Amino acid sequence: EAGVAQSPRYKIIEKRQSVAFWCNPISGHATLYWYQQILGQGPKLLIQFQNNGVVDDSQLPKDRFSAERLKGVDSTLKIQPAKLEDSAMYLCASSRTGDDRRFGQGTRLTVV
Amino acid sequence: GNSVTQMEGPVTLSEEAFLTINCTYTATGYPSLFWYVQYPGEGLQLLLKATKADDKGSNKGFEATYRKETTSFHLEKGSVQVSDSAVYFCALSDQTGANNLFFGTGTRLTVIP
Repeated sequence: EAGVAQSPRYKIIEKRQSVAFWCNPISGHATLYWYQQILGQGPKLLIQFQNNGVVDDSQLPKDRFSAERLKGVDSTLKIQPAKLEDSAMYLCASSRTGDDRRFGQGTRLTVV
Repeated sequence: GNSVTQMEGPVTLSEEAFLTINCTYTATGYPSLFWYVQYPGEGLQLLLKATKADDKGSNKGFEATYRKETTSFHLEKGSVQVSDSAVYFCALSDQTGANNLFFGTGTRLTVIP
C-alpha cells in the first residue's frame, strides 16, 4: 500500500511570503489531518477533515492559515503571510478508523 | 483535559543496553495509547499501541503495557541497537468522535556502538 505523500519536502521562504503544502492520503482513508511540529516538540493538530468536511480546526490560526480538501482526497495547507514562528515540520496523516493513522514524511518549512 | 508527559531526554545508551522511556497520561474516559517513532528527517511511524487497560503493545522488540492504575504506558526494549536511534513520542487518542491524538514532547534516544 502506498503511503501518505507530501510535497515539497523542504521549503525556505522569507517572512510575509506565502507558501502551500500538498498532501495525498492513502487510498480509502476518509480522514485527513494536518499537524504542525515545532522543533523539540510533539506534533500539534491544526485541522482534521472527514471526507470534504472540517471536523476540527480549533487550533488553526485562521488569520493566516487555510486548508482545503477538494473532492475528499488531496489536501492543501496554505500560510499567508508567513511569520518566523511558523518555521516547523508540517505533517499530513490519514486514517480509516482513527487508530490506523499513518503519517507522511512531512514538509520542513523555514521562514527567514 | 487530555495530556501526555514523557521522560525528558536526551537518552544515550550503549548497544545491547536495556531501554525504558517513561510516559504518563491524563485523560477523560478510556483513551487508546500509542508510541510513535521518528527517524531523522522523517515523519512519524506507529511503533505500537494498546487500546484498553492491561493490554500490552509490542513491535520490533519494543513493549509497553497500558497501566490504568498508574496512568502509565512506559516503553521498554531489552537490547537496543544503533538503528533504534530516533525520537520516540508517547500519545493518546481521546476516543471522542474526532478521535484527537495528543502527543508528548518526545524523547531523543541515541545508541552508541
